[in-house]
Amino acid sequence: GQQLNQSPQSMFIQEGEDVSMNCTSSSIFNTWLWYKQDPGEGPVLLIALYKAGELTSNGRLTAQFGITRKDSFLNISASIPSDVGIYFCAGRNTGTASKLTFGTGTRLQVTL
Amino acid sequence: GAVVSQHPSWVICKSGTSVKIECRSLDFQATTMFWYRQFPKQSLMLMATSNEGSKATYEQGVEKDKFLINHASLTLSTLTVTSAHPEDSSFYICSARVQGLAGGGGTDTQYFGPGTRLTVL
Repeated sequence: GQQLNQSPQSMFIQEGEDVSMNCTSSSIFNTWLWYKQDPGEGPVLLIALYKAGELTSNGRLTAQFGITRKDSFLNISASIPSDVGIYFCAGRNTGTASKLTFGTGTRLQVTL
Repeated sequence: GAVVSQHPSWVICKSGTSVKIECRSLDFQATTMFWYRQFPKQSLMLMATSNEGSKATYEQGVEKDKFLINHASLTLSTLTVTSAHPEDSSFYICSARVQGLAGGGGTDTQYFGPGTRLTVL
């Protein structure tokens, strides 16, 4: 099935640094979502974006819905050790029974 | 609110046996649940959409006779892996849909369970 491409694939950063990751698709989505998955757990929703161009924040997280509807980015400011995990973007179109298409994931490691 | 549980959290079985995994929405009703499979260091791949009171809809390439889905109530969906083989070993994750206030599904939210690790020997 279709997958969304995320970059970078993995990153090592120091505590306190800002992080930026993005997600691109060859097709349009009407909704973009960002999830975080800890090892051995299910994904947890971080941010949902519903309009092209929308910029939404959730604490230290900021995400934007690209104007072309084919991309989205997620920023994490002042990273802390508990930010470690895998971040997935997901796209959804209306009329598809709410099915999600997940990105390839960005693995984040934070060092002290 | 919006808690989804899965049982068991992990299971080891012999090749050729069947394994049932339960997905429950604990504090809300879900007419639609989804089943995903995730191989190590890979993304989540949708296997099927489970609809309460009707047949599941399977994604292309997923064998419906091998992965039996039953959604008998608004809070429970089950996935049965029949005649499991080592290649079926994976992390199986379910999610339950909460419909948004706006129509058309645009603001729907999926809440995910903690996953079930299946190992087939």
